[in-house]
Amino acid sequence: SYELTQPPSVSVSPGQTASITCSGDKLGDKYACWYQQKSGQSPVLVIYQDSRRPSGIPERFSGSNSGNTATLTISGTQAMDEADYYCQAWDSSTAVFGTGTKVTVL
Amino acid sequence: QLQLQESGPGLVKPSETLSLTCTVSGGSISSSSYYWGWIRQPPGKGLEWIGSIYYSGSTYYNPSLKSRVTISVDTSKNQCSLKLSSVTAADTAVYYCARHENVGVVVAGTYFDYWGQGTLVTVSS
Repeated sequence: SYELTQPPSVSVSPGQTASITCSGDKLGDKYACWYQQKSGQSPVLVIYQDSRRPSGIPERFSGSNSGNTATLTISGTQAMDEADYYCQAWDSSTAVFGTGTKVTVL
Repeated sequence: QLQLQESGPGLVKPSETLSLTCTVSGGSISSSSYYWGWIRQPPGKGLEWIGSIYYSGSTYYNPSLKSRVTISVDTSKNQCSLKLSSVTAADTAVYYCARHENVGVVVAGTYFDYWGQGTLVTVSS
């Protein structure tokens, strides 16, 4: 079965840039999306179709996808961005979520 | 504003069947544009897609759960339902319903844009 692997944790200082990777076989041939999940809340879509932002998502969130890796970048990270982040893609009509990354804003 | 609300028993005994309902408000479950999915998250762990259904009844299931899962739709009530049979403690999780776009026969490139608040189901005797 298809797997998406993320680093368990990423730490970033306020105002700096956080990059979260998502690795999967030929992921660049698929569309990737990203969800933010704050403690005790439902996931929220922050990036879809590799790099598009839904309405209401700040411009500091951006995405890219090439080769075997999709990347979510948070520029000018704020304390409110502290959360778990999950990538997701489809393989053979099956939705696959990444293992999740906890972003800590120190 | 579209809202999804999961409901059902919070406690299920091992070997029994878990049954949950997702009620859609502020929109129609019969929209030709969307599928309605179920996703779960064990406490402290990651997200796992269970399956999705179209208003016509067409379904996609996670192969790892397919033998135990049934998802159905009731357009008259604007609801979809999840049944998971032969549950064990490993099925303890928060269960979410969520919407994704209908992109054709092969599902690819779509994303879950609206989520319910989730409901915790504990499997224990």
